[in-house]
Amino acid sequence: NAGVTQTPKFRILKIGQSMTLQCAQDMNHNYMYWYRQDPGMGLKLIYYSVGAGITDKGEVPNGYNVSRSTTEDFPLRLELAAPSQTSVYFCASSLGRGGTEAFFGQGTRLTVV
Amino acid sequence: GENVEQHPSTLSVQEGDSAVIKCTYSDSASNYFPWYKQELGKRPQLIIDIRSNVGEKKDQRIAVTLNKTAKHFSLHITETQPEDSAVYFCAASATGGYNKLIFGAGTRLAVHP
Repeated sequence: NAGVTQTPKFRILKIGQSMTLQCAQDMNHNYMYWYRQDPGMGLKLIYYSVGAGITDKGEVPNGYNVSRSTTEDFPLRLELAAPSQTSVYFCASSLGRGGTEAFFGQGTRLTVV
Repeated sequence: GENVEQHPSTLSVQEGDSAVIKCTYSDSASNYFPWYKQELGKRPQLIIDIRSNVGEKKDQRIAVTLNKTAKHFSLHITETQPEDSAVYFCAASATGGYNKLIFGAGTRLAVHP
């Protein structure tokens, strides 16, 4: 039981490049989330999903896209990377309605230069 | 949408003292309030949570209180120890509909021996 797995752990992108951050969970959780954490700051919700095929915007969705084709996977796509997207990205999952614990991945540290 | 404010942003205490962190939320539909601890360079992990049908919850040295009328909730840590040093995040979500989990900005707690 691996929990929530994110890849890669570190990445350096050049301005204008694109990439996909991968997130997979093996707990059969319905809810999945993407957050970004800027240095010394809190967790800002980018996108979330309540189940396969259903996604919705969070607090800071601009510059990102997501898809949820399976229960297990929730990739985050960055198009035309900008320095403002330099951050640590966390994926999380939770069982679903009723207010349940969110389990976080280990994070992806992204630098855009 | 939901907005969660957290105070203070930094807190410094002597070992053995108590620490209190306060949060307010804006959405009256929110009914689930977890607290996460994030150690340096690591992922956030749940330490305690409370639902709106409960006014207080304790787990050893940690307690959380909730005032639904005033829309605020607090984390209390008693007999603090150096290993309590970390960043603490409060969060709020509603368990009906789409379950966004919105975090406060975090409190950096330093416990000095």
